[in-house]
Amino acid sequence: DVKVTQSSRYLVKRTGEKVFLECVQDMDHENMFWYRQDPGLGLRLIYFSYDVKMKEKGDIPEGYSVSREKKERFSLILESASTNQTSMYLCASSSADRRMIYEQYFGPGTRLTVT
Amino acid sequence: DAKTTQPPSMDCAEGRAANLPCNHSTISGNEYVYWYRQIHSQGPQYIIHGLKNNETNEMASLIITEDRKSSTLILPHATLRDTAVYYCIVRALLVAGNMLTFGGGTRLMVKP
Repeated sequence: DVKVTQSSRYLVKRTGEKVFLECVQDMDHENMFWYRQDPGLGLRLIYFSYDVKMKEKGDIPEGYSVSREKKERFSLILESASTNQTSMYLCASSSADRRMIYEQYFGPGTRLTVT
Repeated sequence: DAKTTQPPSMDCAEGRAANLPCNHSTISGNEYVYWYRQIHSQGPQYIIHGLKNNETNEMASLIITEDRKSSTLILPHATLRDTAVYYCIVRALLVAGNMLTFGGGTRLMVKP
């Protein structure tokens, strides 16, 4: 059974803190993605990675960085958390097969609150 | 990318077929229709996708009109666990740096 796991379901951090969100997939997928989901704004892509150590900016990369040192793990880093980064963060993965790139498997999400 | 239009909400009786429409009148020839759903407090779940032929899998059927300007997702025997927001997305196979974006979707309420 396909599985994407995220390190925390709920997280509360203070403004200015450095925040790490971890995502692990067990499907040997090449592609991994970080999205944030906000009411009225839908799902927005922050970063994606199509291979180890490779990354590409999505629609809203400002204030975020990512790390992919191993194929199964993709980390999202908030260098200095701000209140406007309070959101639901979703990790996803997909096969590199170009026919399946939009068949993405999502984790359960991390609801981050920055106070 | 083609825009999609979906009704904001629908009700369906448990055990009945749920038919969720999606309008994508500006779809271009290389764009696929994808359906996802999101159950409350969970991440989105891929359901099905198609190009022009009707598709069926263990979860649902996808009917795409001949002119490809609209489609219908069919859940043949809806259960209470199918209550979710359903998203219709139109995308070409690969558009660099422009992955899934979900619009408003249809909130399906399955009632006993």
